[in-house]
Amino acid sequence: AQSVAQPEDQVNVAEGNPLTVKCTYSVSGNPYLFWYVQYPNRGLQFLLKYITGDNLVKGSYGFEAEFNKSQTSFHLKKPSALVSDSALYFCAVRDLRTGFQKLVFGTGTRLLVSP
Amino acid sequence: DSGVTQTPKHLITATGQRVTLRCSPRSGDLSVYWYQQSLDQGLQFLIQYYNGEERAKGNILERFSAQQFPDLHSELNLSSLELGDSALYFCASSREGTANSPLHFGNGTRLTVT
Repeated sequence: AQSVAQPEDQVNVAEGNPLTVKCTYSVSGNPYLFWYVQYPNRGLQFLLKYITGDNLVKGSYGFEAEFNKSQTSFHLKKPSALVSDSALYFCAVRDLRTGFQKLVFGTGTRLLVSP
Repeated sequence: DSGVTQTPKHLITATGQRVTLRCSPRSGDLSVYWYQQSLDQGLQFLIQYYNGEERAKGNILERFSAQQFPDLHSELNLSSLELGDSALYFCASSREGTANSPLHFGNGTRLTVT
């Protein structure tokens, strides 16, 4: 089955420091990977995606993600965290079996950036 | 703003009742997806429609049903509600045909069953 795992329930980082939110995937075939962010009482907002090509993908709000095929990982990164980055982050993989295109989400990682 | 509109924002109802959640997808998007978000289950895929037809079914209970209308808006019907149905229900839409197109989510409907 197509799945992603987010091993950390919460990540704490000080403002100005680099941040990493981890995601590993398990897919058959080529992975179509996504990161989303959810702010309180809001829907999920698309941050970035990996389909093919460059292993470093740049997205919205200064976020980027590094795709690593050998480690089956797709970690979300930002060089300098902001307090406003505090939110819930979801990794997701596209389920392309039998033509379905739903997204399968990880359990989410809460990012807390302290001033 | 994702362009996906969900109504109502909040819904409080009693056990055993029936409710209807409504979703208008982004202009031009033919696919609509419904997800349920709860604290213990995370984000669960319920059902997908494409251009009026059911495309995929996930962990959707038999008490729940959905449909997509000719104008592409979608409704999720929840009946015989139980306390455990309390959750955030999200609708998302996407352009169909390309696996690399992201889903765009609405702000959700928060359902509270008392």
